[in-house]
Amino acid sequence: NAGVTQTPKFQVLKTGQSMTLQCAQDMNHEYMSWYRQDPGMGLRLIHYSVGAGITDQGEVPNGYNVSRSTTEDFPLRLLSAAPSQTSVYFCASKGDGNQPQHFGDGTRLSIL
Amino acid sequence: GESVGLHLPTLSVQEGDNSIINCAYSNSASDYFIWYKQESGKGPQFIIDIRSNMDKRQGQRVTVLLNKTVKHLSLQIAATQPGDSAVYFCAENGATDSWGKLQFGAGTQVVVTP
Repeated sequence: NAGVTQTPKFQVLKTGQSMTLQCAQDMNHEYMSWYRQDPGMGLRLIHYSVGAGITDQGEVPNGYNVSRSTTEDFPLRLLSAAPSQTSVYFCASKGDGNQPQHFGDGTRLSIL
Repeated sequence: GESVGLHLPTLSVQEGDNSIINCAYSNSASDYFIWYKQESGKGPQFIIDIRSNMDKRQGQRVTVLLNKTVKHLSLQIAATQPGDSAVYFCAENGATDSWGKLQFGAGTQVVVTP
C-alpha cells in the first residue's frame, strides 16, 4: 500500500492564481483531512471529511475549498492564492473511531 | 480555549541516553492522545498512542505516560539514536467527536549528539 500520496511536492504560485493540491489514500479510510504547517506552529486543521460527499471546516478554512467525490481522493483548492497561504500542506487519513491519522509527505507551497 | 502544548521547544540528548519529551493538555475531556515524529521534509509519522483509561503504554524503545490528574503526557525514548533526531508532536483527539479533529502542540526539536 502507498498510504497517503500528495502531489505536487513543491509549487510556486503568483498572487491571485488558483491551484489544486491532490491527496489520495489507498487504505479505504473514511476520514480525511488537510492541515497547514507554519514555522514555530503546530499543524492547523483546514478542512476535513468524514466520508464521500461530506466535508466540514476546520480551524483555518478561509481561502480554501474541498470536495470529496470518492473515498480515495480529497483535493484542496486555492481559488485565489495569497502570500499568507505560503506554507507546507499535509493531508491525512484515518479509520473509524480513535485511530491515529496517517500523513502524506506534504506539499510545499510558495505564493509570490 | 482548550489547547495542547509542549514544555520544551528543543531537547539536546547524548546518543545512548534516554530522552523525555513532555506535553501538557488543558481539555479535561480528552480521551485519546498520540505522539508523532516528523523528520525534515517528511510528514508526521505515528509513534504511539494512548487512551485515557491507561496510564502507560510501551512500544519499541518508546513509552508514553499519561497523568490525567495534572493533564500531562510524556514520551520516553530509550537509548536515543541519531535517527531519533526529529521534531516530536503530541496531539489530542477530542472526546466529543469520535472522528477526531487532532489538535497539535508546536513540537519539540530533539537533537541527538554523539
